[in-house]
Parts: sequence; C-alpha cells; structure tokens
Amino acid sequence: NAGVTQTPKFRVLKTGQSMTLLCAQDMNHEYMYWYRQDPGMGLRLIHYSVGEGTTAKGEVPDGYNVSRLKKQNFLLGLESAAPSQTSVYFCASSYSAGVGDFGPGTRLTVL
Amino acid sequence: DQQVKQNSPSLSVQEGRISILNCDYTNSMFDYFLWYKKYPAEGPTFLISISSIKDKNEDGRFTVFLNKSAKHLSLHIVPSQPGDSAVYFCAASATGTASKLTFGTGTRLQVTL
Repeated sequence: NAGVTQTPKFRVLKTGQSMTLLCAQDMNHEYMYWYRQDPGMGLRLIHYSVGEGTTAKGEVPDGYNVSRLKKQNFLLGLESAAPSQTSVYFCASSYSAGVGDFGPGTRLTVL
Repeated sequence: DQQVKQNSPSLSVQEGRISILNCDYTNSMFDYFLWYKKYPAEGPTFLISISSIKDKNEDGRFTVFLNKSAKHLSLHIVPSQPGDSAVYFCAASATGTASKLTFGTGTRLQVTL
C-alpha cells in the first residue's frame, strides 16, 4: 500500500513552459485534491474531484487545469508556467467524509 | 480573508512540558476540525480531529479542545517530546463541501531538551 504518490518530486521550468503533475492513490478514495503551499500562507486548494470524471475549482484555480480520467489518478496541468506558480504542490485523497491523506509534495520552481 | 487563523508562527517548549497550539476560525459553517503535522520535505500527516458536536477529543498525548462560541480550538501535547518538533496546521471543513479543507498558516513547534 503506497498511499498517495506524486510525480515528479522536483521540477524547474522556464516561464511559458508547460508541465503535468501526476498524483496516484491506491486506497480507492473517491475524493482527490490539489493544494499549493507558499511561505506564510498555509495550504490553499487549487482544484478537487469528487469522483472519476469530475473536477471542480478550489480557492486558487487560475492558471491550472486538472483531469480525473481514472479513479486512482488526478493530474494537475500548468499550460503556461509563471513565476507566481513557484510553490510546493501537495495532492491529497479521502473517502467522502474522511480525513485526507497527503502525498509527499512536488517542489516546482518557475524561472 | 483568512477563515482559519493561527496567530503564533512559532512556539518553543521544553521537553516534558505541555505544548498548546491555538487556532481561530471565522466561518460558522465549519463543523469539522483537524490538526496536521508536517516535517520538512514531507507531506502533512493527520494528527487528530474533532467534530463540532464535541468539545474535546483525546488521542494519547494529544488533545484537541473546541470552543464553538469563541470559534477557537487548541491542540495540547503532553508531555512534549523532541520528535514533536514540526509545523502544525489547523484545518477546517464544512458538511456538504466535499471535505475541502481550509488551512491556517501553521505554527512551528520546537521542543528543546
């Protein structure tokens, strides 16, 4: 049981480049989330999904897109990276009304 | 606006003493509260939670108290151990919102020998 895994762990992008962050969970959780953590700001919700094929916007969705084609995977895309998207990204999953399990994070730097 | 606030960015406590971490919230719709612990370069890990129908929940050395009228919760760690040194995040969610969490900014706890 690997829990929640994230790929990659680190990435450096240039402004305007695109990339996809992958989150995978093997706990059969219905709900999945993407958060970003910035210094002094805690974790903020970007997008979330309540089931396969569904996605919804969180608190800070601008500049990001997501897809949940399979129940176990939740992808976060940056179409045109900006320096303001430099952050640590955490994926989480949970049962419908349960505690979230977090992945180890992806540290992204946009130059 | 910051709906969940942790006004103390850091706290230093001696080993064996009690650590008290505080959290305030403004959204009266929040009815489930959680504490997460985070070590550097790792994801947050769940520590303890409390539903709004309770005012106290205990798990070993960790106790969370909820004062709904004051919109305030606190995490007590007794006794504090060096391994407790980490950043602690308070989080809240509301029924019917897909368990979306609103986080505070965190408190860094340092337990000294």
